[in-house]
Amino acid sequence: LAKTTQPISMDSYEGQEVNITCSHNNIATNDYITWYQQFPSQGPRFIIQGYKTKVTNEVASLFIPADRKSSTLSLPRVSLSDTAVYYCQSASSYKLIFGSGTRLLVRP
Amino acid sequence: DGGITQSPKYLFRKEGQNVTLSCEQNLNHDAMYWYRQDPGQGLRLIYYSQIVNDFQKGDIAEGYSVSREKKESFPLTVTSAQKNPTAFYLCASKSPEALLFFGSGTQLSVL
Repeated sequence: LAKTTQPISMDSYEGQEVNITCSHNNIATNDYITWYQQFPSQGPRFIIQGYKTKVTNEVASLFIPADRKSSTLSLPRVSLSDTAVYYCQSASSYKLIFGSGTRLLVRP
Repeated sequence: DGGITQSPKYLFRKEGQNVTLSCEQNLNHDAMYWYRQDPGQGLRLIYYSQIVNDFQKGDIAEGYSVSREKKESFPLTVTSAQKNPTAFYLCASKSPEALLFFGSGTQLSVL
């Protein structure tokens, strides 16, 4: 099963772009890469998913290099409300496990 | 509206007591999951079910039990064998695109 590694925490300021990188060295051919956001006392919610190259939606971009051993979540112009824990997940099987996540703190 | 409903939001367990956490979904997803989250930690997989009448142990299944008699329902029982049950419990279902949809969670505490 793929295991993901992320930085434990990151600090940023309002209006900055934040990039969070996840390592998934053992990613399988069929695995997609999915990122979730979690606020305290809530369930995680889906942010973005990709397989390779670049994916962009209304809230984030996801960059995946050709070897797919890592991925980078990019949050443009963060606000205070983006303070949360961000999880990456790489899986295609049913046993979906999470890493420890990255705690992002956005300061005024 | 569609989604995952967990109940109750808060639950208290007495020593030696079994308690059951409810999870219902109306998303028509086949697969459902239970995760445990301790303060400041990530999510750990307790049990998952790929389809009705089938379920598999996750990484921390000891002291827990589940059933999957209906597609919509995946209740989790925290048994008296679970000596440290205080945690935030999250239920999720998985879409065909491998996206997890989570409920709002149940906070379980020991009296």
